[in-house]
Amino acid sequence: EIVMTQSPATLSVSPGERATLSCRASQSVSSNLAWYQQKPGQAPRLLIYGASTRATGIPARISGSRSGTEFTLTISSLQSEDFAVYYCQQYNNWPPTTFGQGTKLEIK
Amino acid sequence: EVQLVESGGGLVQPGESLRLSCAGSGFIFSSFEMNWVRQAPGKGLEWLSYISGRGTTIYYADSVKGRFTISRDNAKNSLYLEVRSLRAEDTAVYYCARSDGGSGNYFDYWGRGTLVTVSS
Repeated sequence: EIVMTQSPATLSVSPGERATLSCRASQSVSSNLAWYQQKPGQAPRLLIYGASTRATGIPARISGSRSGTEFTLTISSLQSEDFAVYYCQQYNNWPPTTFGQGTKLEIK
Repeated sequence: EVQLVESGGGLVQPGESLRLSCAGSGFIFSSFEMNWVRQAPGKGLEWLSYISGRGTTIYYADSVKGRFTISRDNAKNSLYLEVRSLRAEDTAVYYCARSDGGSGNYFDYWGRGTLVTVSS
């Protein structure tokens, strides 16, 4: 089973600034990596798939990238609606598909 | 508009069973692979099970293999999860999630979830 490790657990950033969230895979997952956003009491929402492709309706200020087994989700110019928990998911070697433990993005 | 609506959750005692349902609408249900994912209170996401469009291919997480059964009825646009021998650690919100049709097993639409609480 591939283990996905997200860092940091909590990230405090001021509105208008940039947030950088990391996700590391325990082995290669190619670019088969997705990112989700989850707000309290809501279902997760797909943001990125294929490591860098934005899902339908996702604004351009949200972007994903890959370097080997390291993946980054970048949110530039943070807005109030961006403060949430973010999860990465690998779907390269499955079953099982596996998620990271999440990063909470909070207002500084 | 794509919609997924789960039902069937509730408070049950350890050892009991439940059948969770997920009704899909706004898309050709039989054309899409479907999954169940759960989230324990205050915890992260755990994938549980996958079923192909025709129901011919099924996978389970090791943590639920032998206790949970996934199925679907395409005539009713519905997905099911039979959960048996429930334990306290099965307490969670259970989500159904649609796979993004052929591009990989990531999930482009999710339901709002149904809460299962296992307690005596």
